[in-house]
Amino acid sequence: GESVGLHLPTLSVQEGDNSIINCAYSNSASDYFIWYKQESGKGPQFIIDIRSNMDKRQGQRVTVLLNKTVKHLSLQIAATQPGDSAVYFCAERSNTGKLIFGQGTTLQVKP
Amino acid sequence: EAQVTQNPRYLITVTGKKLTVTCSQNMNHEYMSWYRQDPGLGLRQIYYSMNVEVTDKGDVPEGYKVSRKEKRNFPLILESPSPNQTSLYFCASAWESYNEQFFGPGTRLTVL
Repeated sequence: GESVGLHLPTLSVQEGDNSIINCAYSNSASDYFIWYKQESGKGPQFIIDIRSNMDKRQGQRVTVLLNKTVKHLSLQIAATQPGDSAVYFCAERSNTGKLIFGQGTTLQVKP
Repeated sequence: EAQVTQNPRYLITVTGKKLTVTCSQNMNHEYMSWYRQDPGLGLRQIYYSMNVEVTDKGDVPEGYKVSRKEKRNFPLILESPSPNQTSLYFCASAWESYNEQFFGPGTRLTVL
């Protein structure tokens, strides 16, 4: 069945370092991918998205990479800050419009 | 202010007592969706709606109903709640399914 998984449940990085959060997806027909950030007690917030006809997209301090050959998605955060501490979810849009989320990676930023 | 609102924010109920969680958005979005979030399982989609009068099942639709009679509202109905529906529920909306979703603040439901 469809599944979206993140490789590591927890990632701990030093403040100022770059963070890389990985995600594997299984549905090769998925055509749109999104990263969300969820802080404690809040709903998920959009970070960045990418369509399947692209392999890289950059935002402010964030970059998403899509490798369709191995069905892998990653989120890179440059110069990680304490405010980046949160749970990060990747999600894929299936060809029916259904959205499937991964289980989440907790990013801990050490001062 | 553009937002997604959910009510109630917290609810404790008993098995079998029908309940409705309301969701409303003021952004004229066409796409709306309900998720449940459980520890270790991430967010799972319950139902989604591409437009008015169009609803589709997500990954975990059993025990839930939805309706989309008007664009702004997308209520989630639990006809006969059971303890395994104890969870944190999020409603979300987007212009369409290829756009970022805006999430509501969540509804924490406990079914005893």
